[in-house]
Amino acid sequence: DAGVTQSPTHLIKTRGQQVTLRCSPKSGHDTVSWYQQALGQGPQFIFQYYEEEERQRGNFPDRFSGHQFPNYSSELNVNALLLGDSALYLCASSLGLSSYNSPLHFGNGTRLTVT
Amino acid sequence: DQQVKQNSPSLSVQEGRISILNCDYTNSMFDYFLWYKKYPAEGPTFLISISSIKDKNEDGRFTVFLNKSAKHLSLHIVPSQPGDSAVYFCAASPKTGANNLFFGTGTRLTVIP
Repeated sequence: DAGVTQSPTHLIKTRGQQVTLRCSPKSGHDTVSWYQQALGQGPQFIFQYYEEEERQRGNFPDRFSGHQFPNYSSELNVNALLLGDSALYLCASSLGLSSYNSPLHFGNGTRLTVT
Repeated sequence: DQQVKQNSPSLSVQEGRISILNCDYTNSMFDYFLWYKKYPAEGPTFLISISSIKDKNEDGRFTVFLNKSAKHLSLHIVPSQPGDSAVYFCAASPKTGANNLFFGTGTRLTVIP
């Protein structure tokens, strides 16, 4: 039973560029959430996708966008990269929209470095 | 604005003793709380949760206590084992029960053999 898989594991980009991160949810899960974890901080919620729609969004600018595909996999896109976007990006999956019945399962993350 | 706070960045405990990790929150709308454990180079792993209608939840060596009036929760690990050495994150969910968890900054637990 494959867990949450993310690609790539590491990425180096230049300020101003665009980046796409990918996530495949745990088998049986239909909801994907994305989190940003800056160094020394806890994960911070970016947004959540369910039924191919963005359902909730955290306090992140429009430069951060996403997509969910019919097979439940998801992409996170970040445009016009800033140095401050350097972080570990975590994808988490669950069954349904509520954390009550289905705690989030996290992938190992993508480490993005913006130079 | 950090709505979930873990004021102890690190904690060292002898093997076999109790580990107590603390967490405070400021938003009274939070009604579901979770603890996650994170090893290096891995994503956080769900450990235990508690609903605001309870004040205690137990799962094996792990017990979470919730004090709603003080907006405080704690995780007790008894007995502590070297494999418990990791970063522990406290997280809270708003009343809507959505997956937009608010995380603390984590406490690094080191269990000394």
